[in-house]
Amino acid sequence: GAVVSQHPSRVICKSGTSVKIECRSLDFQATTMFWYRQFPKKSLMLMATSNEGSKATYEQGVEKDKFLINHASLTLSTLTVTSAHPEDSSFYICSARDRFNRNQPQHFGDGTRLSIL
Amino acid sequence: GDSVTQMEGPVTLSEEAFLTINCTYTATGYPSLFWYVQYPGEGLQLLLKATKADDKGSNKGFEATYRKETTSFHLEKGSVQVSDSAVYFCALRPYNNNDMRFGAGTRLTVKP
Repeated sequence: GAVVSQHPSRVICKSGTSVKIECRSLDFQATTMFWYRQFPKKSLMLMATSNEGSKATYEQGVEKDKFLINHASLTLSTLTVTSAHPEDSSFYICSARDRFNRNQPQHFGDGTRLSIL
Repeated sequence: GDSVTQMEGPVTLSEEAFLTINCTYTATGYPSLFWYVQYPGEGLQLLLKATKADDKGSNKGFEATYRKETTSFHLEKGSVQVSDSAVYFCALRPYNNNDMRFGAGTRLTVKP
């Protein structure tokens, strides 16, 4: 079945550093990918919609300059948390939609647990 | 806007007990409905789905029926196992949109 690979699965870094998270669709092309954030014991919150070849669409309240999204190809979207601080610690999950099966559910990655010290 | 309201847990059951997790939705038009499962430390996995009224999604012994008259999509399983312990999310995809709206999640713990 369709697979989305998210990397890294876990990252621990110091406050002030930038962290890049990759989301790859392994066996399908995705013109649209989604980035979610999940707080402990909470639901998923959509942060932004990543569009191949164009700017991402951010949800209200999400800082564009803080969470940089690049969708440079049909199989890869990246989320960069810039100058990360402890409050950015969270579980980040991406998902992708098959461009040729638009009515099918999104396929989710396994998530990245980000811990900022 | 479109949204999902899900029964909050945690829910603790004994093995072989009957499970129901309630989910209701508010939507314009005809959304698609989903149940996702998240095991500890992992991402989301699609459990089942229904795309129109009266559809029944089923997988691994879990079932949910898309009820338009009650705007519900309750998850049920007749006999739970310890391995079913996870967090379950009800989700909705609006008919004219790409993104998903998730419920708060229900943590299920099944004890031997």
